[in-house]
Amino acid sequence: QVKLLQSGAALVKPGASVKMSCKASGYTFTDYWVSWVKQSHGKSLEWIGEIYPNSGATNFNEKFKGKATLTVDKSTSTAYMELSRLTSEDSAIYYCTRYYGGYSDWGQGVMVTVSS
Amino acid sequence: DTVLTQSPALAVSLGQRVTISCRASKSVSTYMHWYQQKSGQQPKLLIYSASNLESGVPSRFSGSGSGTDFTLTIDPVEADDIANYYCQQSNELPYTFGAGTKLELK
Repeated sequence: QVKLLQSGAALVKPGASVKMSCKASGYTFTDYWVSWVKQSHGKSLEWIGEIYPNSGATNFNEKFKGKATLTVDKSTSTAYMELSRLTSEDSAIYYCTRYYGGYSDWGQGVMVTVSS
Repeated sequence: DTVLTQSPALAVSLGQRVTISCRASKSVSTYMHWYQQKSGQQPKLLIYSASNLESGVPSRFSGSGSGTDFTLTIDPVEADDIANYYCQQSNELPYTFGAGTKLELK
């Protein structure tokens, strides 16, 4: 079955960067867009952007341009998201998800806490 | 950006039929999807492309609509359905989610 396994929680200082991973299994990694979604505490879901592993093509929510960088490693079927210049507003849970007629598969989420 | 508007909360009785609405600020055709999220869990796809039931989702869930007005129906509501429900459009970038509807027990 399809699985998206994300890296563990991160505690990072303001101004620093964090890179998280999303390892895919159970499907052909290069054939489907992988998106990243932010969920701040107790709030709704926010689409950050997406990457097509086969070509590396990306699309971003304007709000996250300059904040998020999306990459993939096709050899390990892993997608990455790096968030830079972190502030308290970036404290949230970040999910990776696969688009297959809607977001059919989700990682378990990575909790990022930005604190000094 | 396409804004999706949902009612913040709905109070329901078990066994009742409930409809959750989602209105888009512009037409999204049928590129509307519905998710259920329980506390501490990732979202789960229920309905894709407005009216298609995701595999493994109970048939008491159904979706309808096109253009700007969409509904998710649960009939009958079971205790396990108490959760947050989100609509999401994939017609136009950036993809957007509604603010969510919290289903509560009366």
